[in-house]
Amino acid sequence: ILNVEQSPQSLHVQEGDSTNFTCSFPSSNFYALHWYRWETAKSPEALFVMTLNGDEKKKGRISATLNTKEGYSYLYIKGSQPEDSATYLCASNNAGNMLTFGGGTRLMVKP
Amino acid sequence: SAVISQKPSRDICQRGTSLTIQCQVDSQVTMMFWYRQQPGQSLTLIATANQGSEATYESGFVIDKFPISRPNLTFSTLTVSNMSPEDSSIYLCSVERGLNIQYFGAGTRLSVL
Repeated sequence: ILNVEQSPQSLHVQEGDSTNFTCSFPSSNFYALHWYRWETAKSPEALFVMTLNGDEKKKGRISATLNTKEGYSYLYIKGSQPEDSATYLCASNNAGNMLTFGGGTRLMVKP
Repeated sequence: SAVISQKPSRDICQRGTSLTIQCQVDSQVTMMFWYRQQPGQSLTLIATANQGSEATYESGFVIDKFPISRPNLTFSTLTVSNMSPEDSSIYLCSVERGLNIQYFGAGTRLSVL
């Protein structure tokens, strides 16, 4: 069982602020790192899947980086908007194994 | 991608009763997955449901407590049996596409009194 940890647990920012959060995971036998966004009363939605050390992915104002050697990934949100308010989950797995999720970072963006 | 319909979306149940959660997928899939998120905890895999065979349960979860049905390739149910307040959680079903990407239902928010 992997130990995937996210920080901070929750975050309050003002509209327009840029923010980032961290996901740490075991670097041995690494296969893939996933980020999901989970809005209240909706389905968790896949944002990014990254597999290679140094990977960077971007979708609009949201981007993510991956360091498999030291076992961490950052998720960045540029110019946060109220609609970005959600819980952001990361998950990691070794090859052939199921995803292990972190506890999530709950982001609240105030207008 | 995949479209997954999950119901009920929420329920409030009495201790000792059982609740069955249903999940319908818009396409045929070999495996469906059931997760639970207890308050303040991580999303945790309960079991993998395969069509035509018994579900595979993760450590800490047993069939008597969480019986699963998988009658065809687009449908599955999870029953939470003999509920206690500790079963109050969000329950999610999912299917997998591509690099282990999970596509989830909208979840069932269960409160047990």
